[in-house]
Amino acid sequence: GDSVTQMEGPVTLSEEAFLTINCTYTATGYPSLFWYVQYPGEGLQLLLKATKADDKGSNKGFEATYRKETTSFHLEKGSVQVSDSAVYFCALTGRQAGTALIFGKGTTLSVSS
Amino acid sequence: GAVVSQHPSRVICKSGTSVKIECRSLDFQATTMFWYRQFPKQSLMLMATSNEGSKATYEQGVEKDKFLINHASLTLSTLTVTSAHPEDSSFYICSADKTVNTEAFFGQGTRLTVV
Repeated sequence: GDSVTQMEGPVTLSEEAFLTINCTYTATGYPSLFWYVQYPGEGLQLLLKATKADDKGSNKGFEATYRKETTSFHLEKGSVQVSDSAVYFCALTGRQAGTALIFGKGTTLSVSS
Repeated sequence: GAVVSQHPSRVICKSGTSVKIECRSLDFQATTMFWYRQFPKQSLMLMATSNEGSKATYEQGVEKDKFLINHASLTLSTLTVTSAHPEDSSFYICSADKTVNTEAFFGQGTRLTVV
């Protein structure tokens, strides 16, 4: 079945450091790919998404490119802030509405000043 | 973006009682809503898929008689944890799909503590 694999955390960085969180997927067909962020005690917020190969999703300085050839969707940010500390989930879904998301295990990011 | 409201955000109940959690799509109609459970420091586990006007589809291993799901309208789905026990303590999150978009919108989550 479809699955998402994320790099193990936690990731600990200093402010202004470069961030990469790896995500690879296994899926039939052409899924849509997402990054969600969860702040402590809260629900999930969509960070960015890409719906087809070579699409780049971006938001709040974060970027991820849908790479079909490597089945990857790595999350990057050039300069992290303390406020970026959260848990980040990579996810995929099929193209039809009504299809549940499949999540990776999440990666905890901790940024110190 | 679309807004999904989940209520309550936190609830503490006694063992043996039932708790109802509501999930509402505030500015769109959601044909399908999903209920997830999240254990501490773990990913989200899909519990069930809720379709308006029909019975929910439960994932393997999820007790449908314990976790009652009702999707009475295009904007409201409820999850009732019946005869709650301490092991049911968890973070429950709902999400809703717009009818023509694959993006899911999440509620704020409900922290359930059974004492």
